[in-house]
Amino acid sequence: DTAVSQTPKYLVTQMGNDKSIKCEQNLGHDTMYWYKQDSKKFLKIMFSYNNKELIINETVPNRFSPKSPDKAHLNLHINSLELGDSAVYFCASSDRVGYTFGSGTRLTVV
Amino acid sequence: GNSVTQMEGPVTLSEEAFLTINCTYTATGYPSLFWYVQYPGEGLQLLLKATKADDKGSNKGFEATYRKETTSFHLEKGSVQVSDSAVYFCALLNTGFQKLVFGTGTRLLVSP
Repeated sequence: DTAVSQTPKYLVTQMGNDKSIKCEQNLGHDTMYWYKQDSKKFLKIMFSYNNKELIINETVPNRFSPKSPDKAHLNLHINSLELGDSAVYFCASSDRVGYTFGSGTRLTVV
Repeated sequence: GNSVTQMEGPVTLSEEAFLTINCTYTATGYPSLFWYVQYPGEGLQLLLKATKADDKGSNKGFEATYRKETTSFHLEKGSVQVSDSAVYFCALLNTGFQKLVFGTGTRLLVSP
């Protein structure tokens, strides 16, 4: 069983569209995250949720809205997509021992 | 604030060469330190970690020692293989902040 699973793996869409990326973890972790990896491979945290409560929001544009219906799920909705949103988005979950990452969603905005 | 600095790549080596990728950090308190590896087209995998000063993390022939006096966590491997070609990320976690902070990544290219 995949510990942290993201869907879709690839997403190609036009500017101005709205899209969602889903993430689920079966590790029983309380904390989940979204990270963005840009074209230069730089990884930066976007959001963190602990038990469905937002605890980190790293100056991400309002067009990005995370939603955590329960502690095993953290979805990312993006409104009015822009070219600069093209990146790989990683979901992760953690406990006191460490992080586990999903395999990433490559978003391409054309 | 917390930050991680890695040597710029790419690092290009021949098979069986010795590898060092430098990593230094700035942090308040006593962070845990990690090395993650990203193979082409794949996600991030934990390679090794160390949670306190003088701890040595090791996995798959890779090693790194948590050096508090020099705030470093350099990654080493005695003999690299072509299959080690990947991007390597150094990272720190200050548990109080629950935020994993990454370095910029170092691409390793190993040729036969």
